[in-house]
Amino acid sequence: AQSVTQLDSQVPVFEEAPVELRCNYSSSVSVYLFWYVQYPNQGLQLLLKYLSGSTLVKGINGFEAEFNKSQTSFHLRKPSVHISDTAEYFCAVSLSLTQGGSEKLVFGKGTKLTVNP
Amino acid sequence: KAGVTQTPRYLIKTRGQQVTLSCSPISGHRSVSWYQQTPGQGLQFLFEYFSETQRNKGNFPGRFSGRQFSNSRSEMNVSTLELGDSALYLCASTLTGRVFFGQGTRLTVV
Repeated sequence: AQSVTQLDSQVPVFEEAPVELRCNYSSSVSVYLFWYVQYPNQGLQLLLKYLSGSTLVKGINGFEAEFNKSQTSFHLRKPSVHISDTAEYFCAVSLSLTQGGSEKLVFGKGTKLTVNP
Repeated sequence: KAGVTQTPRYLIKTRGQQVTLSCSPISGHRSVSWYQQTPGQGLQFLFEYFSETQRNKGNFPGRFSGRQFSNSRSEMNVSTLELGDSALYLCASTLTGRVFFGQGTRLTVV
C-alpha cells in the first residue's frame, strides 16, 4: 500500500524568503505524485504533478517540485514566497495507471505554510 | 470549461438523519471520487466511480454509499448520521491522472 509523509505540520517563513515543504512517499510500484494547495474554506487546487519524464516539475504560482526516486521524495519549493501563499499544502500519490491503478489518491497530513510580513 | 461543482456548499443535519451530496464533474471526465476531510484524520478516500460502476472503495462503514449516473454526475449518501461524520466532503473528477477537486460540501452534524 502507498503512504505519504509530510515531515513538517507547520512551516512559518517571512515574506520573500525561500521555502521547501517536504514530502516522502512509500510505494513498491510506480506512482503519480501531486501537490495541492487548500485555502481556508476552499477545495483543493492542483499546484503541480509528476506523471513521468523530467524529474523537475514546474507548477502554478512559482512553485516547483523535484521527484527523487532513490530517496522516494517529492519536495515542493518556491524561491520567494508572498503573503498570499499562506495556506495548507498537501502531497499525494496515486498508482500509475500502467500498474492497473485507479484514481485513488493517498494524501499526507498536510503542511500549514504561514508567510509573515 | 466549468470546474467540478458540488452542492450544497454547507449543510447542517441532526444525528440519525441521512444526507445526500451531489457532484458534477468536469465535462468529459468519467471518473468521480469522493474524499472526507477532518482535522483529526486528514483527507481520506471514500470511493471512486467510473462509468457508473464503483471501481474502488475506502475503509468506511456501509452507511456511506454512492452512485454515478450516465452523465457522470455522482451522489454520495450518508445514512444514520453520527457526530463524527461532520467534515468537509470533497469530490474529484479525473481524466488520465489529472485530478481536479470541487469546493466541497461542509457537513455539520448536531
